[in-house]
Amino acid sequence: DAGVIQSPRHEVTEMGQEVTLRCKPISGHNSLFWYRQTMMRGLELLIYFNNNVPIDDSGMPEDRFSAKMPNASFSTLKIQPSEPRDSAVYFCASSHRDSGSYEQYFGPGTRLTVT
Amino acid sequence: KQEVTQIPAALSVPEGENLVLNCSFTDSAIYNLQWFRQDPGKGLTSLLLIQSSQREQTSGRLNASLDKSSGRSTLYIAASQPGDSATYLCAPGAAGNKLTFGGGTRVLVKP
Repeated sequence: DAGVIQSPRHEVTEMGQEVTLRCKPISGHNSLFWYRQTMMRGLELLIYFNNNVPIDDSGMPEDRFSAKMPNASFSTLKIQPSEPRDSAVYFCASSHRDSGSYEQYFGPGTRLTVT
Repeated sequence: KQEVTQIPAALSVPEGENLVLNCSFTDSAIYNLQWFRQDPGKGLTSLLLIQSSQREQTSGRLNASLDKSSGRSTLYIAASQPGDSATYLCAPGAAGNKLTFGGGTRVLVKP
């Protein structure tokens, strides 16, 4: 299996621009998670989906952030408008909710820099 | 709200020595606990997952224990190697498989 795939791997944008991060979970997994990692706050859960439905978005920092999962093999995290404090590494992870173990597998991350 | 603490924050040992990494968490109502490894500039690699009903889990040179009632988990790495140098993260999982991460322990194994 190819594992969790994220794109782009690096994104540099100017403040005020829209940013879209993409994730393809492991085939057959039915839970998907978006995390953000910064030096100051560590790894934080932003939102997660079960069977393409958003379950908990309490970690989404502001209304500027939105996430969608139109089908089982694709999810996006959008920031509009972006701000310098959004600079971080964004990770996507997936798991098989019905497997009993719930082990999460992470993608390589997208490093976002907002200038 | 779950809070996770990892001690020590950094550790430097000579090759061959055994590593002991500690993790404590405040809310014992967990479903499982995962240990991850993160190399600089890379994603997270899952090392071990312990279910809440288990006391320990082993994989090769790695052994993780879980004492759910006292809110503690320990990761043991036997006979450390320079390739074990990385940051190790502990993450207890709550309902919905929501993971809360500790700050990590940065490990350096010197040849």
